[in-house]
Amino acid sequence: DVQLVESGGGLVQPGGSLRLSCTASGFNFGTYWMNWVRQAPGQGLEWVAKIKQDGSERYYGDSVRGRFTISRDNAENSLYLQMNSLRVEDTAVYYCARDSSGYYYLFDYWGQGALVSVSS
Amino acid sequence: DIQLTQSPSSLSASVGDRVTITCRASQDISSFLAWFQQKPGTAPKLLIYAASTLSGGVPSRFSGSGSAAEFTLTISSLQPEDFATYYCQQFSRYPPTFGQGTKVDIK
Repeated sequence: DVQLVESGGGLVQPGGSLRLSCTASGFNFGTYWMNWVRQAPGQGLEWVAKIKQDGSERYYGDSVRGRFTISRDNAENSLYLQMNSLRVEDTAVYYCARDSSGYYYLFDYWGQGALVSVSS
Repeated sequence: DIQLTQSPSSLSASVGDRVTITCRASQDISSFLAWFQQKPGTAPKLLIYAASTLSGGVPSRFSGSGSAAEFTLTISSLQPEDFATYYCQQFSRYPPTFGQGTKVDIK
């Protein structure tokens, strides 16, 4: 079965940094585009970032571009999100999500999420 | 960015009811629309993609229709496990965007 497990969430002060990880299993991780999607408390869903299979292409949402960096290690079946210059409005549950094999930006499997709280 | 507007934002229904949720896009997205179900404290689950294709393991009481800029999710006979929030999402153009959600609760 496909599994995605996030870790690394926590409480951080505004301006601080945090690194999220997502460990994948049950599929050939290195052959899929991967994404981060977030959900602020009680709010809807917002796509954050996307990375190609070999890491050669990366895309970001406007609200995080220049502050967040998506990366991956295919040997470790792991996806990462380095978050710098965090703001209160970055508080959210962060999900890693797999692109389907047939469509870009169609998220067919999601992890359980990691909560990031930005507060002083 | 493409805006998706869902209606209603919430609804109350009884077990056995037929439920319909609409998603309107700010521009033509062909059939590049998905529907997700989310229960409290859990990740979204893909129900339908390409406007009308049921994802694996999803019960046949769920169906999707529409194209271009207007789409519908229908639950033919609401079951207790269907009380949740439903989101539409377009994957036609970058960046991918979601509707604001429709909460389905017990009447």
